[in-house]
Amino acid sequence: FDLTQPPSVSVSPGQTARITCSGDALANQYVYWYQQKPGQAPVMVIYKDNERPSGISGRFSGSTSGTTVTLTISGVQAEDEADFYCQSVDSSFTYVVFGGGTKLTVL
Amino acid sequence: QVQLVESGGGLVKPGGSLRLSCAASGFIFSDYYVSWIRQSPGKGLEWVACISGSGSTISYTDSLKGRFTISRDNAKNSLFLQMDSLRVEDTAIYYCAREIDDYNRAFDYWGQGTLVTVFS
Repeated sequence: FDLTQPPSVSVSPGQTARITCSGDALANQYVYWYQQKPGQAPVMVIYKDNERPSGISGRFSGSTSGTTVTLTISGVQAEDEADFYCQSVDSSFTYVVFGGGTKLTVL
Repeated sequence: QVQLVESGGGLVKPGGSLRLSCAASGFIFSDYYVSWIRQSPGKGLEWVACISGSGSTISYTDSLKGRFTISRDNAKNSLFLQMDSLRVEDTAIYYCAREIDDYNRAFDYWGQGTLVTVFS
């Protein structure tokens, strides 16, 4: 199955960024979000749709509506500029799938 | 602290083989599923394969079945990926990653990756 993300999102510092991830399987499976900065490994920022791992800024939050989930970054800062990936699993709980990624640009 | 350190990447010609390793520390390795995930230059993330803590359950992404083999040695806290019949399109950074738990197919710790370059 596929997870669809917008290729890019741009916001000014201090504004709110919203990155969506859509897929039919998302109605029944959790989504996880990762932030990847250039030259670094991905870091999980949201798990189980809307839970935040320890150490992750409270400015990151997740929400879900049907087959679309949204990563929201409030009060965007220059350091938030990165690629963001959503990830889920198929209905058999066997195959892991990543979205194509969204490049967040802080203007 | 949890650490995952990949090694074994390098340059290889099409049709060649390579064996990647991932050394784990800071947690009870045999308690966790671990996966290989790759990222082609300038591209997105692609899950490759996973293996259960005991090694009894293994899954691969469909496009790689038959060419790649995942395995682990719990006595040595190590994960492996044997890659055969390599193709140019297998060029990527290969990450090992720990899955959160048996109920969450997601990755809470990642290594820094090892680069595999397949060129003719």
